[in-house]
Amino acid sequence: NAGVTQTPKFQVLKTGQSMTLQCAQDMNHEYMSWYRQDPGMGLRLIHYSVGAGITDQGEVPNGYNVSRSTTEDFPLRLLSAAPSQTSVYFCASSYVGAGEKLFFGSGTQLSVL
Amino acid sequence: AQTVTQSQPEMSVQEAETVTLSCTYDTSENNYYLFWYKQPPSRQMILVIRQEAYKQQNATENRFSVNFQKAAKSFSLKISDSQLGDTAMYFCAFMKQAGTALIFGKGTTLSVSS
Repeated sequence: NAGVTQTPKFQVLKTGQSMTLQCAQDMNHEYMSWYRQDPGMGLRLIHYSVGAGITDQGEVPNGYNVSRSTTEDFPLRLLSAAPSQTSVYFCASSYVGAGEKLFFGSGTQLSVL
Repeated sequence: AQTVTQSQPEMSVQEAETVTLSCTYDTSENNYYLFWYKQPPSRQMILVIRQEAYKQQNATENRFSVNFQKAAKSFSLKISDSQLGDTAMYFCAFMKQAGTALIFGKGTTLSVSS
């Protein structure tokens, strides 16, 4: 059981480049979410999804797009990377009845130069 | 909107001693969940302890326990018999009942020394 898998673990981008952070879970969880972690700021919610085809914005959604075409996958897209998006990104999943426990991926460290 | 405040950016403790990390939160919800997560240098997010707001009894997990004061909206974490492996960033977090995402505090860096 792999749990929540994030790829890549590290990435360096140039300003203006686009890329997709991948997140996959094999636990059939309905809920998935993306957070960014910045020094001194804790983790902040970017986007979340309550099921396939349903997404919504979190606290800091600007500059990021998401889609949820399958239960398993919840990719995060940066259409035009900016230095302000340098951060560590975490994906998490959960299910109804989990007691609101989130299962986290191992994170992606992204640097935008 | 819910907010979570951790007022101690850094704390230090000697091995075998007890340390308490503070957390306050603001919400108009009556039913919700509170969590403490540990993040060691490996970056992994590890659930330490969880409290359901409708339960008056404070949660405990081995050396970790909480002091949950619902009226005061306070949720502190006590670590007893501190170990070197407890060195990490600790985050307090809130989730509404049947919620889907967490609201985190800014974290407390805990250093345990020998």
